[in-house]
Amino acid sequence: NAGVTQTPKFQVLKTGQSMTLQCAQDMNHNSMYWYRQDPGMGLRLIYYSASEGTTDKGEVPNGYNVSRLNKREFSLRLESAAPSQTSVYFCASSGDRSINEKLFFGSGTQLSVL
Amino acid sequence: ILNVEQSPQSLHVQEGDSTNFTCSFPSSNFYALHWYRWETAKSPEALFVMTLNGDEKKKGRISATLNTKEGYSYLYIKGSQPEDSATYLCAFHPGNQFYFGTGTSLTVIP
Repeated sequence: NAGVTQTPKFQVLKTGQSMTLQCAQDMNHNSMYWYRQDPGMGLRLIYYSASEGTTDKGEVPNGYNVSRLNKREFSLRLESAAPSQTSVYFCASSGDRSINEKLFFGSGTQLSVL
Repeated sequence: ILNVEQSPQSLHVQEGDSTNFTCSFPSSNFYALHWYRWETAKSPEALFVMTLNGDEKKKGRISATLNTKEGYSYLYIKGSQPEDSATYLCAFHPGNQFYFGTGTSLTVIP
């Protein structure tokens, strides 16, 4: 089982460029999430998708768009990258909607915007 | 935005010492409290999911307790080993999203 697969692992962008971070899970999970991790701050939720076809804003959605392409895949798009979006991005999924559901994380994408 | 606080921010202990750290969260709208272990260059991995007031969970030398009425959880590590060095995150789960604390960075000195 691959779990949660995230690509790319590293990316350098110039201000104004666009890019899409890809995330796929093979655990048949309903919910998927995008977080960003910045020094001195906890994981902050950008967007989440509680089920295929639905997406909702998290704490820091500005400058991002998402697509829940199907149950497996949840992509994060930066339309016009800004230096403030330099961060480490994590995709996560959770599955069974039980009270004991836990998050499974991808390996992260380190993004630098120059 | 919900406030989840962890203390201390970082901790250095000698191998063999026992240690504990705290997660504080809102005492209303409680659904679950998670603890994750995050090693350098890896992804966070779930340690415990705690759902009931008074819950105690244990995994080897690591244990956790939960007080939902006052809004805190403790994580304990007994006899710390160098391989316990990691950042320990807690996440408050009111049912729809997960709200993470900033973590406690633990370094165990051999």
